[in-house]
Amino acid sequence: QVQLVQSGSELKKPGASVKVSCKASGYTFNRYSMNWVRQAPGQGLEWMGWINTNTGIPTYAQGFTRRFVFSLDTSVSTAYLQISSLKAEDTALYYCARDSNSMEFDNWGQGTLVTVSS
Amino acid sequence: QSVLTQPPSVSAAPGQKVTISCSGSTSNIGNNYVSWYQQLPGTAPKLLIYENNKRPSGIPDRFSGSKSGTSATLGIIGLQTGDEADYYCGTWDSSLSAGEFGGGTKLTVL
Repeated sequence: QVQLVQSGSELKKPGASVKVSCKASGYTFNRYSMNWVRQAPGQGLEWMGWINTNTGIPTYAQGFTRRFVFSLDTSVSTAYLQISSLKAEDTALYYCARDSNSMEFDNWGQGTLVTVSS
Repeated sequence: QSVLTQPPSVSAAPGQKVTISCSGSTSNIGNNYVSWYQQLPGTAPKLLIYENNKRPSGIPDRFSGSKSGTSATLGIIGLQTGDEADYYCGTWDSSLSAGEFGGGTKLTVL
């Protein structure tokens, strides 16, 4: 069965960086794009962008163009989200989600909580 | 502020039915498929409806979706306490070239 397994919670200080992983299994990795979704505490879902798992080309939503980087390691069917220069407002749950057809997210990771606090 | 508007909350009694609306524009709902997601407390979102009105395997037929013009609607009949969750609509916005979610609707089953 399809599974997306994300790395564990992270506690970081302001200014640090974090890299979240999303390991896919149960399907051919490069047949579906991978999206990232943020959910701040008590808030709704926010689309961050996606990465083409064939070409490795990322597309970022507005507001996620400077400190956020999507990448892949196709040899281990894993997508990554790196956030640099962390701020308190980056504290959120970050989800990876497999896209079947343009914003049709049929499988989600369990979420990774990133907490930024001094 | 999302370009898709959902009511913040809806409520109904067990066994009753409820609808959740998602209002957008021609650049998003009007010209793209709508998906709906259920997020139970403390869990990741789950796909409930795709391509406006299709249910993935395993989703009961108590859940339905429809779309008319620039609005979409999620319907749930035979409400159960286990349906208490946040529900989100989602679609692509062709003008923004971005994915969009509605603000979410909290369903309370009284």
